[in-house]
Amino acid sequence: GAVVSQHPSWVICKSGTSVKIECRSLDFQATTMFWYRQFPKQSLMLMATSNEGSKATYEQGVEKDKFLINHASLTLSTLTVTSAHPEDSSFYICSARELQGSYGYTFGSGTRLTVV
Amino acid sequence: GEDVEQSLFLSVREGDSSVINCTYTDSSSTYLYWYKQEPGAGLQLLTYIFSNMDMKQDQRLTVLLNKKDKHLSLRIADTQTGDSAIYFCAESPNDYKLSFGAGTTVTVRA
Repeated sequence: GAVVSQHPSWVICKSGTSVKIECRSLDFQATTMFWYRQFPKQSLMLMATSNEGSKATYEQGVEKDKFLINHASLTLSTLTVTSAHPEDSSFYICSARELQGSYGYTFGSGTRLTVV
Repeated sequence: GEDVEQSLFLSVREGDSSVINCTYTDSSSTYLYWYKQEPGAGLQLLTYIFSNMDMKQDQRLTVLLNKKDKHLSLRIADTQTGDSAIYFCAESPNDYKLSFGAGTTVTVRA
């Protein structure tokens, strides 16, 4: 089945630094990738949607200069949390979809970010 | 996830059936989904149902869809300890992005 690899699984960084999270579709081409944020014991909040080769579409309230998303190829999307602060600490999950209209949204295993 | 609502907790005895209910608002979703999340992990697609279907069965899982009432349920037969997890119901308005419910935490007790 479709597999999405997300790295790193967890990361601890200092306030003010930037962190990059990678999301790769291993055996399919992802025309669309989604980035979510999940707070403890809460649902997934969609942050942005990216299509290969075009700018990401951010959800209302998500700072695009803070959360940089790049979808440079059909198999790779990255989320960079810039100038991280403790309130950015969260669980970030990516999801990839092969084709519009297909049922399949495949999720990565998530990245636990802790900013100290 | 205010467009998708589901109960937050369910406790069930091992071997019994679990039923998780969900209501959604958007009728444009071609598919409706159930995802499972174990602690510290991403989401695993459990099953999905095409919006024109009323029921789908896949081994221990049965999905019922009442399109008129916009109600979706997931039944897990013979619930096992490994079924303890958070279960998310999701719709996909206009078949583009997923909209999740708050998640139902299922606890299986011996």
